[in-house]
Amino acid sequence: QKEVEQNSGPLSVPEGAIASLNCTYSDRGSQSFFWYRQYSGKSPELIMFIYSNGDKEDGRFTAQLNKASQYVSLLIRDSQPSDSATYLCAVKKGAGNNRKLIWGLGTSLAVNP
Amino acid sequence: GAGVSQTPSNKVTEKGKYVELRCDPISGHTALYWYRQSLGQGPEFLIYFQGTGAADDSGLPNDRFFAVRPEGSVSTLKIQRTERGDSAVYLCASSLQGLAGGGASYNEQFFGPGTRLTVL
Repeated sequence: QKEVEQNSGPLSVPEGAIASLNCTYSDRGSQSFFWYRQYSGKSPELIMFIYSNGDKEDGRFTAQLNKASQYVSLLIRDSQPSDSATYLCAVKKGAGNNRKLIWGLGTSLAVNP
Repeated sequence: GAGVSQTPSNKVTEKGKYVELRCDPISGHTALYWYRQSLGQGPEFLIYFQGTGAADDSGLPNDRFFAVRPEGSVSTLKIQRTERGDSAVYLCASSLQGLAGGGASYNEQFFGPGTRLTVL
């Protein structure tokens, strides 16, 4: 089992719909969770992070964290064609000087006009 | 302000040659990370510096790969005896603080544009 798993997709949604991207992780002690967006041929950029159970909203984006079930989701409301990209989940785990950031392989999202 | 810069943007070399890739992080960022990324894959962690020292080099694939950050700012990734399998985009990122200290807001990684390495 990979430490951080994402469905590779592609996930295809129509413009205006809600896109739901999921990420599961294996280390129950993981502390912080990051969602990055990467456009084709570009570098990743942070969308948002979350570290407490529940929802965190930022504009059209909502991150949802459920530590008991060990998953973190990213919802994109009112999806736009410009949201078409690969979404990477990264998980911070470990303790003290042994903390690591573990990356998933990413989910490709296509928003169709 | 200036973001993370990487040079060169593209590097084509022959199998067996030595290459150096440079990363200039955001000023004031104490942590610096090197990744490589192949098409359709997520970033593969290589090494992470906290200041001048390598806090975690567990991702370096073998002893042909080495990285330094002598003054706690600019970093150089060095690859000896390059192989065709080393071809990838090499990404550098920096963050305000390293993973050992600070909360998530201090761990946001800002990525450079990458260096595309092609080994013929």
